[in-house]
Amino acid sequence: GQSLEQPSEVTAVEGAIVQINCTYQTSGFYGLSWYQQHDGGAPTFLSYNALDGLEETGRFSSFLSRSDSYGYLLLQELQMKDSASYFCAVDGANNLFFGTGTRLTVIP
Amino acid sequence: NAGVTQTPKFRVLKTGQSMTLLCAQDMNHEYMYWYRQDPGMGLRLIHYSVGEGTTAKGEVPDGYNVSRLKKQNFLLGLESAAPSQTSVYFCASRDAGFFSPSSYEQYFGPGTRLTVT
Repeated sequence: GQSLEQPSEVTAVEGAIVQINCTYQTSGFYGLSWYQQHDGGAPTFLSYNALDGLEETGRFSSFLSRSDSYGYLLLQELQMKDSASYFCAVDGANNLFFGTGTRLTVIP
Repeated sequence: NAGVTQTPKFRVLKTGQSMTLLCAQDMNHEYMYWYRQDPGMGLRLIHYSVGEGTTAKGEVPDGYNVSRLKKQNFLLGLESAAPSQTSVYFCASRDAGFFSPSSYEQYFGPGTRLTVT
């Protein structure tokens, strides 16, 4: 089976840095994805890590440690528009298994 | 490019009724997926397809059927709707390539909000 754990809620101040952690247990692992979803909207892709290390895309970075079954999403220079839910998802080759999401609230 | 579109956007069904949700993508993607999302939950995979004419079960397939007769379309059917199927349904598609991290991106449709009374 597969399971993912991520914090249910995080609050951070505008302009700050926040890290959202994700730990996973899975029988088949090809990579870890991160998606953002605003209320009432569709998920949108942020990043994918197949190998250990850091992937950087603008203000967002994602890290993976396969040996620790652990990853995180790092959001820098937080903006109010970053308030959303963030999901980590394990790539099982042909499909994704999603965590239950972390609701990020950015406050002024 | 319209991307991924879903029809309808909203629907209310009575218990026991049937319906089909249509997903269409214009990106020539090989892989297509149907998910459901319940309040406060992540997305759970119902069925998926890795190419025209193929389908496979996901995490929660019971009560649903799918068909992929054309590459650009992926249909999700509910034969006898139940209140437990009240949810938001998302369709997604993805290219088959594995060339870079962005190759793994799934593109999601806007969702169908289904209520079964």
